[in-house]
Amino acid sequence: GAGVSQSPSNKVTEKGKDVELRCDPISGHTALYWYRQRLGQGLEFLIYFQGNSAPDKSGLPSDRFSAERTGESVSTLTIQRTQQEDSAVYLCASSTGQGPNTEAFFGQGTRLTVV
Amino acid sequence: SQQGEEDPQALSIQEGENATMNCSYKTSINNLQWYRQNSGRGLVHLILIRSNEREKHSGRLRVTLDTSKKSSSLLITASRAADTASYFCASRGYQKVTFGTGTKLQVIP
Repeated sequence: GAGVSQSPSNKVTEKGKDVELRCDPISGHTALYWYRQRLGQGLEFLIYFQGNSAPDKSGLPSDRFSAERTGESVSTLTIQRTQQEDSAVYLCASSTGQGPNTEAFFGQGTRLTVV
Repeated sequence: SQQGEEDPQALSIQEGENATMNCSYKTSINNLQWYRQNSGRGLVHLILIRSNEREKHSGRLRVTLDTSKKSSSLLITASRAADTASYFCASRGYQKVTFGTGTKLQVIP
């Protein structure tokens, strides 16, 4: 596609429910990143994919968070048993790979509100 | 915790003035990038400076990099009201791109 696409754009869910956030990276981009941004805060790294493997999961805040990626395509971030502190904008980015001079392209994010 | 730290956290200037934002990082990098974010949603890439470069220009943007001090600065010259946004530095290591905490810039018309 023309850019990184994330869905849904906004999601309101009840505390305790599970949610799935989707990211469609730019076609051909092998690297994919998930970040979380709380209101007025910086970007918090969650997980990085190279292809469909995740060499760095160090940012996932708890075992309620998991992510998958199908080949070099779509990724889903799943949050189980959502809590109010999970409320944030979840941003996805993709890049052409591990080359040292590649820029990351961002989607518009999913704004998650847990009520 | 975030690897990068920007300062100031917030900056308010008059239109036409220059705005300078600084960024520090902690580990070795391949490159450092600056991004802009409007309204808390997607980020837009502004400029990339490689680890072996010291200064780079793009339009009204000037970026410097000092790898000995693990720091970078972004200068926006002749600021405009439309430059109002949050600006983030991002350090690219071997695999991961790590973002700083950001500087909120307000340009007053």
